[in-house]
Amino acid sequence: AQKITQTQPGMFVQEKEAVTLDCTYDTSDQSYGLFWYKQPSSGEMIFLIYQGSYDEQNATEGRYSLNFQKARKSANLVISASQLGDSAMYFCATPETGGFKTIFGAGTRLFVKA
Amino acid sequence: DTGVSQDPRHKITKRGQNVTFRCDPISEHNRLYWYRQTLGQGPEFLTYFQNEAQLEKSRLLSDRFSAERPKGSFSTLEIQRTEQGDSAMYLCASSSPQGLNTEAFFGQGTRLTVV
Repeated sequence: AQKITQTQPGMFVQEKEAVTLDCTYDTSDQSYGLFWYKQPSSGEMIFLIYQGSYDEQNATEGRYSLNFQKARKSANLVISASQLGDSAMYFCATPETGGFKTIFGAGTRLFVKA
Repeated sequence: DTGVSQDPRHKITKRGQNVTFRCDPISEHNRLYWYRQTLGQGPEFLTYFQNEAQLEKSRLLSDRFSAERPKGSFSTLEIQRTEQGDSAMYLCASSSPQGLNTEAFFGQGTRLTVV
């Protein structure tokens, strides 16, 4: 069964600095995808970035980039130039192969300090 | 259409009462999902609809839980005889039919507290 592991319950970063949030995944599939979502205190899950297993380039979306290391089965999220509004929970996730649901990790709470 | 809408945002109920939540997905999305999220955890899948058909249900969805999507548009999730362990955030999401790796768009959730 697929599994997402996020080992950092909480992270602190100084405003304007970069931060890396870790994600490792466990799958035996050759084709898969990885998502990152942000969940602010309001509760809504906001899609940030997607990486497909066959994508040769690391995905980037504005200040978000994905450090995808297939051999290590890791898909770390890098947030550059952190802003106070980046303080939130961040979830790494993957679609279930052959199914319909998305499998989420336990999340990392990011605190951005002024 | 501004996104996935859930109602109510918060619900406090006494143990043993029934509650019903509503989700309005993005209008062109035919896929609709319900997830449950407890404090400090990621969302856990409950059930999935494609149009009006409920195609998958998690083992988490006990017989006290029922979900419907009668016309393939909005969906309701009902919990009967609520228990304190039902206290959680209930998230609804929808996605377009374009591919398995299409991201899901989430609503703001309904936070249920059973006292």
